[in-house]
Amino acid sequence: GAVVSQHPSRVICKSGTSVKIECRSLDFQATTMFWYRQFPKKSLMLMATSNEGSKATYEQGVEKDKFLINHASLTLSTLTVTSAHPEDSSFYICSAVDRIDQPQHFGDGTRLSIL
Amino acid sequence: AQTVTQSQPEMSVQEAETVTLSCTYDTSESNYYLFWYKQPPSRQMILVIRQEAYKQQNATENRFSVNFQKAAKSFSLKISDSQLGDTAMYFCASMEYGNKLVFGAGTILRVKS
Repeated sequence: GAVVSQHPSRVICKSGTSVKIECRSLDFQATTMFWYRQFPKKSLMLMATSNEGSKATYEQGVEKDKFLINHASLTLSTLTVTSAHPEDSSFYICSAVDRIDQPQHFGDGTRLSIL
Repeated sequence: AQTVTQSQPEMSVQEAETVTLSCTYDTSESNYYLFWYKQPPSRQMILVIRQEAYKQQNATENRFSVNFQKAAKSFSLKISDSQLGDTAMYFCASMEYGNKLVFGAGTILRVKS
């Protein structure tokens, strides 16, 4: 149980395009989903927390107009990197919980490369 | 604010041996949770073990166990009978009830044959 599916696993696109990453909880209802960014051999940096039906809460220093998060249902959250540039290249991971006191279940991550 | 410190950037261990990864944390809350996550080269985040702060008994999951010292705010992970598949980056993390996960910087563990 507690499977989180993240898609796509890898994306390469040109500078200036927008990229959407999906995060789905397959066998539970995710009241809260989290989006992280990770650089090679570094820790996970929380970008934002999203609750179903409400606006995401962004961490300090994360541009909310650059990283659009939508959590329209209890099983789906999306992260859209708008007008992506090479410095946005990174590994993005989502996680989800059904209850706030439960461990987060992570997706497999998305490797984003902007040329 | 929560902080988590992992002071060992890299460690190595021989197959079948035991290794201990260190972690210290700081929190002002009395109700919190502690975790160890494993991230192999595939970069999937895998929950290894979880400890509720109110429980005095150390958590154990097969070859993985923790030494939870609440007063010292220490939460080390012991891996017994190390296997090649244990090679990964290990993250210690804390979570105050209803709050977000805070990760340490991670420890790269290499298991050698």
